[in-house]
Amino acid sequence: DSGVTQTPKHLITATGQRVTLRCSPRSGDLSVYWYQQSLDQGLQFLIQYYNGEERAKGNILERFSAQQFPDLHSELNLSSLELGDSALYFCASSPHPRGNYMNTEAFFGQGTRLTVV
Amino acid sequence: GQNIDQPTEMTATEGAIVQINCTYQTSGFNGLFWYQQHAGEAPTFLSYNVLDGLEEKGRFSSFLSRSKGYSYLLLKELQMKDSASYLCASAGGSYIPTFGRGTSLIVHP
Repeated sequence: DSGVTQTPKHLITATGQRVTLRCSPRSGDLSVYWYQQSLDQGLQFLIQYYNGEERAKGNILERFSAQQFPDLHSELNLSSLELGDSALYFCASSPHPRGNYMNTEAFFGQGTRLTVV
Repeated sequence: GQNIDQPTEMTATEGAIVQINCTYQTSGFNGLFWYQQHAGEAPTFLSYNVLDGLEEKGRFSSFLSRSKGYSYLLLKELQMKDSASYLCASAGGSYIPTFGRGTSLIVHP
């Protein structure tokens, strides 16, 4: 158990809908990262938050957004869903105080498997 | 930008040694990570290299050559449970690792 909690574990929804994925980082970790993993794309970095503020952005679509709350949990919002958004969405947290990986490992949650039908 | 290249699949025999190679092209290099991921599960951290050379950690070792943009993960005394995907990731100027598509390792008896 990495200490990172993601809910829900599975989500099935229809095209055009909107969903919210939730992540609770490890106790004390200020940085949260969101990744998307699909069969053909591998693990793609979406966005990073550090202590409530957006820190870095990767290949995140405009239909997707995220935020980190004062209690440090984070939510990833996916809207106008398309079939191609079906993937595993991972949240990771890092203990590094400067909000980046440096030489520390990132701890991944078990992921949310999103299926868009 | 960043580009990672690693083999798609490898097979090996239980008890043997296997080397998984990774080449990368990264602006403002800040380290090379290896993660292990079993099917449907979360990636778990194996190693981090930022200086040239070999880092050994039990049955697993990781090597880095910055001048060649090359790393490898060495797994010794292979066990069936080592069957998994091994993800190479390089960190650039933003320190955010960019992952390769992973190498699926199949260990057979």
